[in-house]
Amino acid sequence: QQPVQSPQAVILREGEDAVINCSSSKALYSVHWYRQKHGEAPVFLMILLKGGEQKGHEKISASFNEKKQQSSLYLTASQLSYSGTYFCGTASGGNYKLTFGKGTLLTVNP
Amino acid sequence: DARVTQTPRHKVTEMGQEVTMRCQPILGHNTVFWYRQTMMQGLELLAYFRNRAPLDDSGMPKDRFSAEMPDATLATLKIQPSEPRDSAVYFCANSGQESSGNTIYFGEGSWLTVV
Repeated sequence: QQPVQSPQAVILREGEDAVINCSSSKALYSVHWYRQKHGEAPVFLMILLKGGEQKGHEKISASFNEKKQQSSLYLTASQLSYSGTYFCGTASGGNYKLTFGKGTLLTVNP
Repeated sequence: DARVTQTPRHKVTEMGQEVTMRCQPILGHNTVFWYRQTMMQGLELLAYFRNRAPLDDSGMPKDRFSAEMPDATLATLKIQPSEPRDSAVYFCANSGQESSGNTIYFGEGSWLTVV
């Protein structure tokens, strides 16, 4: 089943923060986060594995709560380059059957 | 800079025609995926291979779609006959590891329009 992402869309001014959520009805082994700009391929941001770890990448970080079957992506001090659609992909086992959410469209304005 | 290469980048074809999309995986990345992306359904996994062997193609309409890896440097996705509802972006993606705890790299996609 497809994970549910929220919000569907968010508009920010440069420098503002945002949180994107991803929740699943199934137990999760891993959560993958990608960003896709219009007309381009999804680009890998980070993976979180079962164990509830929090990872960071510059000003973008994420957490994974396996008990709640949820992950959140945190974007701080947003930049214009952060604009795009963010997808979470979830796997319930160690295999590669990733199921992606429908995406969250993030727009950062000057 | 290793990357996944897909051809064609864009294809417009008439309904009923055969379409073949090709993917050159990153050297040494032995897991290959085919995804389809549409506005309505988002990103859907069609099929994936490991070491050229098909592991799962349950997401693929079997009557018209077929996926193969004739060798380690080439993966193909074929649609025969094509229909307008097949219009989508088809992504090939790779990973070098055998666990979902590892990165999947996407190609730039093949944009298919069936008229």
